[in-house]
Amino acid sequence: QITLKESGPTLVKPTQTLTLTCSFSGFSFTTSPMNVAWIRQPPGKALESLALIYWDDHKRYSPSLRNRLTITKDTSKNQVVLTMTNMDPVDTATYYCLYGPGGYWGQGTLVTVSS
Amino acid sequence: QAVVTQEPSVTVSPGGTVTLTCGSSTGTVTSSHYPYWYQQKPGQAPRTLIYDTDNKHSWTPARFSGSLLGGRAALTLSGAQPEDEAEYYCLLYYSGPRDLIFGGGTKLTVL
Repeated sequence: QITLKESGPTLVKPTQTLTLTCSFSGFSFTTSPMNVAWIRQPPGKALESLALIYWDDHKRYSPSLRNRLTITKDTSKNQVVLTMTNMDPVDTATYYCLYGPGGYWGQGTLVTVSS
Repeated sequence: QAVVTQEPSVTVSPGGTVTLTCGSSTGTVTSSHYPYWYQQKPGQAPRTLIYDTDNKHSWTPARFSGSLLGGRAALTLSGAQPEDEAEYYCLLYYSGPRDLIFGGGTKLTVL
């Protein structure tokens, strides 16, 4: 059974760095075509792909957020970590992680950016 | 980066059949885009209905099916139920950059 769960702060201040962790079970991040993506959804808006990492450490980032995002994986801990720098109130959203093959979603975590 | 397009909104009558589509700015959508379809209801996380064009999960209602139609990926709902009212997103894989791109979503109303 494949499960994913997001964790991290629910409230961050403007200009701070957000670090989110996706903890997963039920698959091994060591073989093709394993990949995990971070997706966000501002209130009332559409899903937006932020970053994607593959089993071979290939990474993709949203072009508009590329300079603020870093995605890494820790296969020993079964985790994928997203960092987003210089947070702004417009970054308030529910953040999801998504296991690509078959499409398994975490429950999401709401992050609010406010002073 | 490619742009993935969906109908912004579609209405279907209860018991009716409707097809949602998903297109790519790069041209024809094929099985090599491994189209995914997700359903999201208000206040809930998305859930995957269809993966790799036409594969269903155990939780996917039988009335949903995926296909390729007229150069686009398609999600067909046969026998719409009130509980099918939701936002539907497609996702396409682009092999060159190994990228995954979402469509903007289709709001399906059952009325």
